Amino acid sequence: DTEVTQTPKHLVMGMTNKKSLKCEQHMGHRAMYWYKQKAKKPPELMFVYSYEKLSINESVPSRFSPECPNSSLLNLHLHALQPEDSALYLCASSRGTTNPGTDTQYFGPGTRLTVL
Amino acid sequence: SQQGEEDPQALSIQEGENATMNCSYKTSINNLQWYRQNSGRGLVHLILIRSNEREKHSGRLRVTLDTSKKSSSLLITASRAADTASYFCATDGMDTGFQKLVFGTGTRLLVSP
Repeated sequence: DTEVTQTPKHLVMGMTNKKSLKCEQHMGHRAMYWYKQKAKKPPELMFVYSYEKLSINESVPSRFSPECPNSSLLNLHLHALQPEDSALYLCASSRGTTNPGTDTQYFGPGTRLTVL
Repeated sequence: SQQGEEDPQALSIQEGENATMNCSYKTSINNLQWYRQNSGRGLVHLILIRSNEREKHSGRLRVTLDTSKKSSSLLITASRAADTASYFCATDGMDTGFQKLVFGTGTRLLVSP
């Protein structure tokens, strides 16, 4: 199984809502990533988990809260978002090495988030 | 910032033609990777070239790397309508301790039948 799955595919939420994005992989990868991508822009790294520990937080606002319950699952909890947070949120995984930047990353299809 | 610059930003060609896109980056790297993204979808890894390699092929793809110029190119030969997508280069930068991939600005390729 070489697939990264993400749910939901689409999410519309108000600024006072709390919601969660979910990502799952069964490739035995030990590094997992959240990216944010605005239209016609490259993906921007938000968080990296390496061996279930948060290793990189790219100064993301606290209204985004990542969680890695086990080596196969990655969640992104959302609370009190702003309209400018509307974007495609991509999850990825990789083998997980000393230098994860050198790994090939496998991406999920993304969650299209709209904040009203 | 390590972010790569890609050119052209957009490229429109006919089926059967070749497409070339270029990537420039700023700091020393271990590897450079190319990814493809169909509209609104996830990215798909195409090819990885190591800093000690100069050229690599995979099917209709040819990637070159010139570390002295800090640049790479992706050539797609005999393009097909299905090649229509955005293409991103991505580098692991020494400035990040090789801990993350940083994506270039991307080239949007349109292949018309």
